[in-house]
Amino acid sequence: EPEVTQTPSHQVTQMGQEVILRCVPISNHLYFYWYRQILGQKVEFLVSFYNNEISEKSEIFDDQFSVERPDGSNFTLKIRSTKLEDSAMYFCATSGTSSGTQYFGPGTRLLVL
Amino acid sequence: AQTVTQSQPEMSVQEAETVTLSCTYDTSENNYYLFWYKQPPSRQMILVIRQEAYKQQNATENRFSVNFQKAAKSFSLKISDSQLGDTAMYFCKGAQKLVFGQGTRLTINP
Repeated sequence: EPEVTQTPSHQVTQMGQEVILRCVPISNHLYFYWYRQILGQKVEFLVSFYNNEISEKSEIFDDQFSVERPDGSNFTLKIRSTKLEDSAMYFCATSGTSSGTQYFGPGTRLLVL
Repeated sequence: AQTVTQSQPEMSVQEAETVTLSCTYDTSENNYYLFWYKQPPSRQMILVIRQEAYKQQNATENRFSVNFQKAAKSFSLKISDSQLGDTAMYFCKGAQKLVFGQGTRLTINP
């Protein structure tokens, strides 16, 4: 069964460093999403991406964040200058339609020291 | 802002019992989908079941079923014959497709 994959599974970084989280969507999916979940808290939407541009973003998704699909395969989330409060689990999700089921990757656990 | 509310932060039942998790939502849309996701300790988000709002019939997936009340904007999840492996956080994901509920931590006791 096709699945969404994410790399790395864990990342530890120093405050102020840049990180790139990668996601490989299910092959025929066109809609891509990033969510984050701070430990013990609810899942928060960050951004949605379709047709090579951002379709929606939340207040969390400020200028420190960016997304792209550089090679038509990977879907990446970049945090330019990490803060302590960026420590969280980051989930990529993809779907075949705009309102359809979103399939989640296993997540990347980011720890900012 | 659209909201999804899960009013039960934690629930605990004995193995083989039936348990119902509640979810209410707010939307101005007429056609939409609703989802329940399970998040076990591994923290993977796993789709449990989905309901299409234009379908009157409640969705069922094996031991999992929903009670969808469109007028009341209610979307509860029933787990029958609960198993130890059902222990997890359960999130309702609402009509506004980007919004999750706060989650219900379900523990199945042996």
